[in-house]
Amino acid sequence: EPEVTQTPSHQVTQMGQEVILRCVPISNHLYFYWYRQILGQKVEFLVSFYNNEISEKSEIFDDQFSVERPDGSNFTLKIRSTKLEDSAMYFCASSAGPQGNQPQHFGDGTRLSIL
Amino acid sequence: GESVGLHLPTLSVQEGDNSIINCAYSNSASDYFIWYKQESGKGPQFIIDIRSNMDKRQGQRVTVLLNKTVKHLSLQIAATQPGDSAVYFCAENGSRGYKLSFGAGTTVTVRA
Repeated sequence: EPEVTQTPSHQVTQMGQEVILRCVPISNHLYFYWYRQILGQKVEFLVSFYNNEISEKSEIFDDQFSVERPDGSNFTLKIRSTKLEDSAMYFCASSAGPQGNQPQHFGDGTRLSIL
Repeated sequence: GESVGLHLPTLSVQEGDNSIINCAYSNSASDYFIWYKQESGKGPQFIIDIRSNMDKRQGQRVTVLLNKTVKHLSLQIAATQPGDSAVYFCAENGSRGYKLSFGAGTTVTVRA
């Protein structure tokens, strides 16, 4: 069964450093998403991406965050200058169609630890 | 505002019994709902979805019920097995948005 893959599984970074989280969505999917989950809390939406542009973003997704689809298979989340409160699990998801039409399928996440 | 929540944070079930996990939502414009299962160290795994034009949908050992009148969603798991132990989330999407809004999750523990 096709799946979303994320790398690395765990990233430890010094506060203020840049970090890039990588995702390979399911190959025939066209809609891509990033979510985060702070330990013990809900899964929170960050951003959705379709047709090479951001389609929706949350208040969390401020100027420190950016997303990119650098080639036909990867989808990345960059945090420009990390803060302690960015420590969380970051999940990538993809769907074949827009929400309300096709479900989102999630990867197993990257645990980001900011020191 | 938009809010999705589950009634109980934990549920303990005897192996072989049926489980019922509940979820309430507040956005009356929501028209698509999904149940996810999250095991330790893994991402949310799709279980079943339902659109607002339906009130019941069945999958393998799972049934989702939607009551739009009281804005309530439930997931029923038949003959619960040890492998069903996980955190279960309901999620919903507004009628025109891209994002999913998740509830807080119910931790299901299956007793042998």
